[in-house]
Amino acid sequence: ILNVEQSPQSLHVQEGDSTNFTCSFPSSNFYALHWYRWETAKSPEALFVMTLNGDEKKKGRISATLNTKEGYSYLYIKGSQPEDSATYLCAFGRSQKVTFGTGTKLQVIP
Amino acid sequence: SAVISQKPSRDICQRGTSLTIQCQVDSQVTMMFWYRQQPGQSLTLIATANQGSEATYESGFVIDKFPISRPNLTFSTLTVSNMSPEDSSIYLCSAPGGGAGTDTQYFGPGTRLTVL
Repeated sequence: ILNVEQSPQSLHVQEGDSTNFTCSFPSSNFYALHWYRWETAKSPEALFVMTLNGDEKKKGRISATLNTKEGYSYLYIKGSQPEDSATYLCAFGRSQKVTFGTGTKLQVIP
Repeated sequence: SAVISQKPSRDICQRGTSLTIQCQVDSQVTMMFWYRQQPGQSLTLIATANQGSEATYESGFVIDKFPISRPNLTFSTLTVSNMSPEDSSIYLCSAPGGGAGTDTQYFGPGTRLTVL
């Protein structure tokens, strides 16, 4: 059983603040690390898939980094907006054989 | 990318009854997957729905409890049988985005099930 942990479990930030959260995963037999955003009553939406140590991906105000040697990935949100409120999931593995973390629930307060 | 719809979006059911969840993909896909997220837990894969053959179940999940149908390449159903309150979860279907290996998953919006 793979252990994929996300922290914090939840956080509240003020609109305009920047924030980040962590996904920790096993550092051996790395294949890929995925980030998803899951808004209430909507489908989880893929943000990034990262495969190489040192990868950095960016999509608008959201970016992610990857360290496969130490087994962690950070997701950063710059200048948080209320529409960023969602649960952010990371998933470790390949194809459908991925192990999901429990998610970080972000609430951006206007 | 794939667009996936599910129904029902939510339901409240009585203990001992069964619920069938439908999942429709807007394109043909070889594999479809069913996940569950219990309160406070991570998304957990229940089974892979294969067209033309029986579903492949993950450890801890059995066909009698979660029968799956896959009549064609765009549709699947998951039945939650003989429900108990422990089955209260969000159930999602998904399909891979294409390519091999690092496939992104495309998910349906989920079915929020409450069992009383």
